[in-house]
Amino acid sequence: SQQGEEDPQALSIQEGENATMNCSYKTSINNLQWYRQNSGRGLVHLILIRSNEREKHSGRLRVTLDTSKKSSSLLITASRAADTASYFCASKFSGTYKYIFGTGTRLKVLA
Amino acid sequence: EAGVAQSPRYKIIEKRQSVAFWCNPISGHATLYWYQQILGQGPKLLIQFQNNGVVDDSQLPKDRFSAERLKGVDSTLKIQPAKLEDSAVYLCASSLERGSTFENEQFFGPGTRLTVL
Repeated sequence: SQQGEEDPQALSIQEGENATMNCSYKTSINNLQWYRQNSGRGLVHLILIRSNEREKHSGRLRVTLDTSKKSSSLLITASRAADTASYFCASKFSGTYKYIFGTGTRLKVLA
Repeated sequence: EAGVAQSPRYKIIEKRQSVAFWCNPISGHATLYWYQQILGQGPKLLIQFQNNGVVDDSQLPKDRFSAERLKGVDSTLKIQPAKLEDSAVYLCASSLERGSTFENEQFFGPGTRLTVL
């Protein structure tokens, strides 16, 4: 399966701590996106990183991409209870038009 | 700006029955996606349209699933006949994408939760 694998599957942290989740994939990609899903707002796009980029920032989010290791990581700094959600990476593989979503990381931020 | 609209929000049917889902994308969005999300898993692409044309339907079980996008706007996804394993949330998404790079973010609707008994 081309589906990206994310780890950890679940993560529980205290408010104010940082949360890091990782995504690994099997074949070369054009770009990779991160999405958040919670019961209140459904699936929401967070950030896109292209294959020629190594790092991107958006507010409290930092995404890195290591194409040699075929992996990406999402760091959420100074987490809040509202960050409680499932986080998915979605990879667009070279030569295709579609995105393949990973298995997701369930993040719980305790107040 | 109005978001992606889907209906119904919930549907319960018996196996072997038929069901249809409707999606209205964000105005002006050329690309429309249907995903199936089984509990505890990530969304799985079923079909991707750009305007009226199908970009990818490689994971659509074509013996029972069908989808159309009339006039490049609204879309319907049908299952006939349904099986127990079709129980899932069906998500519709749209993006501005008009070219072939497919780098635009996808905007997702609230989904339809289907339960097959």
